[in-house]
Amino acid sequence: EPEVTQTPSHQVTQMGQEVILRCVPISNHLYFYWYRQILGQKVEFLVSFYNNEISEKSEIFDDQFSVERPDGSNFTLKIRSTKLEDSAMYFCASSDEQKTSYEQYFGPGTRLTVT
Amino acid sequence: GNSVTQMEGPVTLSEEAFLTINCTYTATGYPSLFWYVQYPGEGLQLLLKATKADDKGSNKGFEATYRKETTSFHLEKGSVQVSDSAVYFCALSKAAGNKLTFGGGTRVLVKP
Repeated sequence: EPEVTQTPSHQVTQMGQEVILRCVPISNHLYFYWYRQILGQKVEFLVSFYNNEISEKSEIFDDQFSVERPDGSNFTLKIRSTKLEDSAMYFCASSDEQKTSYEQYFGPGTRLTVT
Repeated sequence: GNSVTQMEGPVTLSEEAFLTINCTYTATGYPSLFWYVQYPGEGLQLLLKATKADDKGSNKGFEATYRKETTSFHLEKGSVQVSDSAVYFCALSKAAGNKLTFGGGTRVLVKP
């Protein structure tokens, strides 16, 4: 069964450094998303992406964040200058525009630790 | 805006007990409703879904019915196992490509 994959599984970085989190969505899906989950808290939406542009973003997704689909398979989230409060689990998801039930399929997540 | 409210956990049960996790939502129109499960150390897995009023989603012995009149989507399982220990998230989406709005999650611990 097709699945969303994410790399790395765990990233440790120093405050102020740039990080890029990578995702490979399910191949025939056209909508892509990033969510984050601070330890023990709820899952928060960051951004959605369709047709090579951002379709929606939350107030969390400020100028320090960017997304890109550099090729036909990868979808990346970049944090330009990480802060301690960016430490969280970041989940990528994708969905199929053909499905009327709107379900999204999630990757296993990247745990980002900012020290 | 849209919102989802779930009962707070943790919920601690013995094996073979009946599980209910309450979920209510606020949204205009007819959102699709979902339950996702997060096992320890893992990502989010879609457990079940419902797309319209009175639809019943079911999977792995879990069930939830879309109740438009009470704006609810409560999750139930008749006989839980230790392997059902996880965090369960209720969520909604208004349209294709729209974000999922999640509830706060309910941690369930099943003891042998």
